[in-house]
Amino acid sequence: AQKVTQAQTEISVVEKEDVTLDCVYETRDTTYYLFWYKQPPSGELVFLIRRNSFDEQNEISGRYSWNFQKSTSSFNFTITASQVVDSAVYFCALSEGVDSSYKLIFGSGTRLLVRP
Amino acid sequence: GAGVSQSPRYKVAKRGQDVALRCDPISGHVSLFWYQQALGQGPEFLTYFQNEAQLDKSGLPSDRFFAERPEGSVSTLKIQRTQQEDSAVYLCASSLERGWSPLHFGNGTRLTVT
Repeated sequence: AQKVTQAQTEISVVEKEDVTLDCVYETRDTTYYLFWYKQPPSGELVFLIRRNSFDEQNEISGRYSWNFQKSTSSFNFTITASQVVDSAVYFCALSEGVDSSYKLIFGSGTRLLVRP
Repeated sequence: GAGVSQSPRYKVAKRGQDVALRCDPISGHVSLFWYQQALGQGPEFLTYFQNEAQLDKSGLPSDRFFAERPEGSVSTLKIQRTQQEDSAVYLCASSLERGWSPLHFGNGTRLTVT
């Protein structure tokens, strides 16, 4: 069965520290997609990244980077030099196959608090 | 506005009442989704529309939940005879294309059933 686990419920760091948010997924499909979303206090989910199962290249976007490792079924997210504005709940999500790739399965989220 | 708009922002209903939650997607977006987010949890898929066609309603938790999008734009999620376990934030999202494109989420409607 498909599942996304974010074991870290809450993380607190001081501004400028680096922080890594863990995501472990389970799926039987060979074709799947992994996502990260940010949910600030206002409530809307903001799309950060989408990766497909055939592309294991790590990605960097500014202070954000993602490490995708199929061998450990993990898709971890690192924020470098964290800022107070990074404080939010972060969700990792999975979608499977081609026909149901629109249906996201979310983890329970990691609340990140960045203190000044 | 440029984003997905949901109303009301908050809704309190007494157990047994019917409620209707509205979603205005981004203009021109073909796909529309409803998700349910319980407190402290990730969102869970409810249903998916492509234009006016409801292509997947597998996530609706019971037959008390009904969604429609009659003209392929605005959507309404209706919950009949609300129960306490229906208390959650209901998120609407839209995307531009039939194939994959990023989901744009609204701020959600927080439903509290007393």
